[in-house]
Amino acid sequence: QVYLVQSEAEMKEPGSSVKVTCKTSGLTFSSYSVEWVRQAPGHGFEWMGRIIPVYNSRDYAQKFQDRVTMTADGSTRTVYLELSSLTSEDTAIYYCARGGIDWNYQIDIWGEGTTVTVSS
Amino acid sequence: QSVLSQPPSVSGAPGQRVTIPCTGSSSDIGAGSGVHWFRQLPGTAPKLVIAANGLRPSGVPDRFSGSRSGTSASLAITGLQAEDEADYYCLSLDTFSGSKVFGGGTKLTVL
Repeated sequence: QVYLVQSEAEMKEPGSSVKVTCKTSGLTFSSYSVEWVRQAPGHGFEWMGRIIPVYNSRDYAQKFQDRVTMTADGSTRTVYLELSSLTSEDTAIYYCARGGIDWNYQIDIWGEGTTVTVSS
Repeated sequence: QSVLSQPPSVSGAPGQRVTIPCTGSSSDIGAGSGVHWFRQLPGTAPKLVIAANGLRPSGVPDRFSGSRSGTSASLAITGLQAEDEADYYCLSLDTFSGSKVFGGGTKLTVL
């Protein structure tokens, strides 16, 4: 059984950074990617990027290219999302999810989400 | 504004068949990118209902099926049940930007 357990909700001030944790269990790092998707209040989903731990490679959506960092710790099977220069527009639920190395593989198992609120 | 277009809502009576369309372009669905479908209940994470290869995760009944043609795809649900009420989203890959793209979501109401 594969599980993705995310860190608790965060409150951040504009201009600061946030780091969201996604601890995996049962996930074979050598065969899958971990994707990050966010959902802003009243809005749909937005793909932020993915990391393929076995290759230590990353693909970021162009919109976030300049201020997103995704990392993975193979020893603890944990993946991290860091987003900098936060604005109120970044207020959203952030999800990590299992994807595939193949771009067309499905995103099939999701974490429960981490709510990030950006406010002064 | 989402890259893939979905109607905001669809509805059907119990037992009926409904389809939820997802319209893309020549750079995503039309380019052959796979289309996946998710459902989301309020306050919960999305769950996969149909993968691009037709796979249905354990627990998803065979009343759910996916199809595609040209630059569009559809999710069909037959034998509609009250438990099918949810928001449904499509997902594909934009080969031009190299980003995955979602539809704006469709709220399914069972009358």
